Amino acid sequence: AQSVTQPDIHITVSEGASLELRCNYSYGATPYLFWYVQSPGQGLQLLLKYFSGDTLVQGIKGFEAEFKRSQSSFNLRKPSVHWSDAAEYFCAVGPNQAGTALIFGKGTTLSVSS
Amino acid sequence: GAVVSQHPSWVICKSGTSVKIECRSLDFQATTMFWYRQFPKQSLMLMATSNEGSKATYEQGVEKDKFLINHASLTLSTLTVTSAHPEDSSFYICSAPDSNSGNTIYFGEGSWLTVV
Repeated sequence: AQSVTQPDIHITVSEGASLELRCNYSYGATPYLFWYVQSPGQGLQLLLKYFSGDTLVQGIKGFEAEFKRSQSSFNLRKPSVHWSDAAEYFCAVGPNQAGTALIFGKGTTLSVSS
Repeated sequence: GAVVSQHPSWVICKSGTSVKIECRSLDFQATTMFWYRQFPKQSLMLMATSNEGSKATYEQGVEKDKFLINHASLTLSTLTVTSAHPEDSSFYICSAPDSNSGNTIYFGEGSWLTVV
């Protein structure tokens, strides 16, 4: 079955510390992977995506993610977290087909402490 | 990135009435759009796939007669919640793939529906 697992429901990180949000997927075909961020009451903003090529992907707001096929993982990282990064983060997987929706993980809530 | 816009951002309606939410792709055409529902502190639940020029495809358990979807053009899909009830109160989000960027899926800002 196709699925996305985000093992951490809630993470708290000190401002300025590094961050890693975990994402594991189960997908039959070549996966196309995404990370989205959602602030309270807002829609989803695309942080980065992996389609092919370099397995280390750079995104907006200083985020990066690394695709590891052998581990079926696509973890999101940021070297230094800012208070404004506090939000809900969703990992998603899908095919590169216009007619097929993404499969989402349950999300990880990031809190940033001062 | 591409822009998907939803309107209204929030709406309050009385029980038994219908409410329409619009989803527009502002700078690209989308033959397909997706409608999600999100409960507080939960993930997105796919409701239906909206197809331009044909009927929408509904996920299991979603009442097609209650959640009417019309994909009127290549840039507009609408979701109408008919005979709304308080349990329909939720956050509704649409998304669309942009073929100009490898079918990357972009999301609207979401619409808060409160049924009183």
